[in-house]
Amino acid sequence: SAVISQKPSRDICQRGTSLTIQCQVDSQVTMMFWYRQQPGQSLTLIATANQGSEATYESGFVIDKFPISRPNLTFSTLTVSNMSPEDSSIYLCSDYGQSETQYFGPGTRLLVL
Amino acid sequence: QKEVEQNSGPLSVPEGAIASLNCTYSDRVSQSFFWYRQYSGKSPELIMSIYSNGDKEDGRFTAQLNKASQYVSLLIRDSQPSDSATYLCAVKGTDSWGKLQFGAGTQVVVTP
Repeated sequence: SAVISQKPSRDICQRGTSLTIQCQVDSQVTMMFWYRQQPGQSLTLIATANQGSEATYESGFVIDKFPISRPNLTFSTLTVSNMSPEDSSIYLCSDYGQSETQYFGPGTRLLVL
Repeated sequence: QKEVEQNSGPLSVPEGAIASLNCTYSDRVSQSFFWYRQYSGKSPELIMSIYSNGDKEDGRFTAQLNKASQYVSLLIRDSQPSDSATYLCAVKGTDSWGKLQFGAGTQVVVTP
């Protein structure tokens, strides 16, 4: 499986600010996914990030709030914009490569005050 | 609305016993099924995948799939305290381009 890293691992932010989360995979992958896991909840898919095209967002998530970049086959960023306390969550990226399985990064734990 | 359902638990299992976790899904065309283990404060870790009806064994883990009943299960044999975690069932459909839909997870507590 690919090794996936995320930065930052955790952060505490003030409401109204933005945070960009980086996801790095150690091999080229077709798609990368961004998930949110709110406290005590399961994973909810935010969007699918394809290289060279706009990200595809799931219902309830919009590009203005969660802009995503995918400049190459090993890297993606997710920005959480104009944050509110409701955005306090764990944000996870995952890869989808030739194995057709998903492996997750370690996650970014975000607390918005 | 495609759904994946699991009992939330907690499922309390004596050490050495078998833990049985169940998952049902609503999308009849789903083709791929995964079990992830998530320790508290950690990210999900893939432990099993299953694609065909029947059983698939990997060490102490056995996944069972019945597409006709839209049911997938995970058995953990000889449960250990280190198996205490939340187990997430995930389902991928044929049109989902790799997207997974997750159940809410079942918390397993293995008691010594």
